[in-house]
Amino acid sequence: GQQVMQIPQYQHVQEGEDFTTYCNSSTTLSNIQWYKQRPGGHPVFLIQLVKSGEVKKQKRLTFQFGEAKKNSSLHITATQTTDVGTYFCAGFNNAGNMLTFGGGTRLMVKP
Amino acid sequence: NAGVMQNPRHLVRRRGQEARLRCSPMKGHSHVYWYRQLPEEGLKFMVYLQKENIIDESGMPKERFSAEFPKEGPSILRIQQVVRGDSAAYFCASSPGITTWTETQYFGPGTRLLVL
Repeated sequence: GQQVMQIPQYQHVQEGEDFTTYCNSSTTLSNIQWYKQRPGGHPVFLIQLVKSGEVKKQKRLTFQFGEAKKNSSLHITATQTTDVGTYFCAGFNNAGNMLTFGGGTRLMVKP
Repeated sequence: NAGVMQNPRHLVRRRGQEARLRCSPMKGHSHVYWYRQLPEEGLKFMVYLQKENIIDESGMPKERFSAEFPKEGPSILRIQQVVRGDSAAYFCASSPGITTWTETQYFGPGTRLLVL
């Protein structure tokens, strides 16, 4: 079945440093979504990428979808303590009938 | 506009008891998804329902777990004869139901189940 992997599992950064999490799928995806989950909270939808090579920005967050639609990345510039949480990617298979979550990358930011 | 509501937020059960988790989707949403999250892990899909119909239950364990989304009232995830390994956070998500899977899913706050 479809597998979605994320690296790294954990990342500690100093406030102000950049952060990147990578998402890789075993199969081609029709689209990919990114979620953020604060400690003790629930996943909150951030963005959806659909097109091959697509890049979207939300303030300090930059999301990319690979040309082959099998990988994606989330980059945060100049992290802040409010960025703390676990970032999940979730990919739809080509038929668009199954959403598979990656294991998440837990970001910790030292003030 | 109320978001997805789940109750209870925390549930403690002893081994062998039943757990009933409820989910009310966002207003206007007709599709509901249930996910399980073990501590320090990602979300695992369990089941996808629309009113009175199970669309996909490929992630549901074959025994002890069932889900429904009746015409009236919330969606219910039922776990019979709970075991310690069922301890997890159970999240419900909803989507409008205009298309199928590829819609944005909005998550509820989750039910944290602890089995003693």
